[in-house]
Amino acid sequence: AQSVSQHNHHVILSEAASLELGCNYSYGGTVNLFWYVQYPGQHLQLLLKYFSEDPLVKGIKGFEAEFIKSKFSFNLRKPSVQWSDTAEYFCAVSGGFKTIFGAGTRLFVKA
Amino acid sequence: DGGITQSPKYLFRKEGQNVTLSCEQNLNHDAMYWYRQDPGQGLRLIYYSQIVNDFQKGDIAEGYSVSREKKESFPLTVTSAQKNPTAFYLCASTLGGDWRNTEAFFGQGTRLTVV
Repeated sequence: AQSVSQHNHHVILSEAASLELGCNYSYGGTVNLFWYVQYPGQHLQLLLKYFSEDPLVKGIKGFEAEFIKSKFSFNLRKPSVQWSDTAEYFCAVSGGFKTIFGAGTRLFVKA
Repeated sequence: DGGITQSPKYLFRKEGQNVTLSCEQNLNHDAMYWYRQDPGQGLRLIYYSQIVNDFQKGDIAEGYSVSREKKESFPLTVTSAQKNPTAFYLCASTLGGDWRNTEAFFGQGTRLTVV
């Protein structure tokens, strides 16, 4: 079955701490992978995407993600988080016309 | 500014009543989608439409209906047949239907509560 699993539902970090949010997927065939972010009171928006290029993808606001095909993973990372990174983060996988989202991870960064 | 507008932001419905959620986009996108978001379950696809006058069921279409009479509009009706309608509903659109070649844009959502 097609699925996306995000390992942590809630993460609390202090400012300047490093961040890694796990994402694993199960999806047959060639896939494209995304991380979306929803800041409080705002629209869900694209953070970064993997489209068969370099497996290390750079996104906005200093975020990056690494696609490891052998592990079916696409973990999101940031070396040093800021209070403004407080948001909910969603991993998604698409095989073209169907896109599946993970359950989301709520990140709270303490100032 | 281009974007997706969902209305209303909050909606209350009595059990047994149908209710329609509005979604309008001015991005000139061909494809539009409705997702349902529940705590701990992420976004689940209800219906999608790749072109005007055409739409397909997603993973959880039972109890919902849609129409796509205009490119910019994709209203969702939550019918009385939907057993657990209280949820947060998100509308999205993409330029084409293939997410590999495009970026999805989302509305701010409608929170529906059945009382």
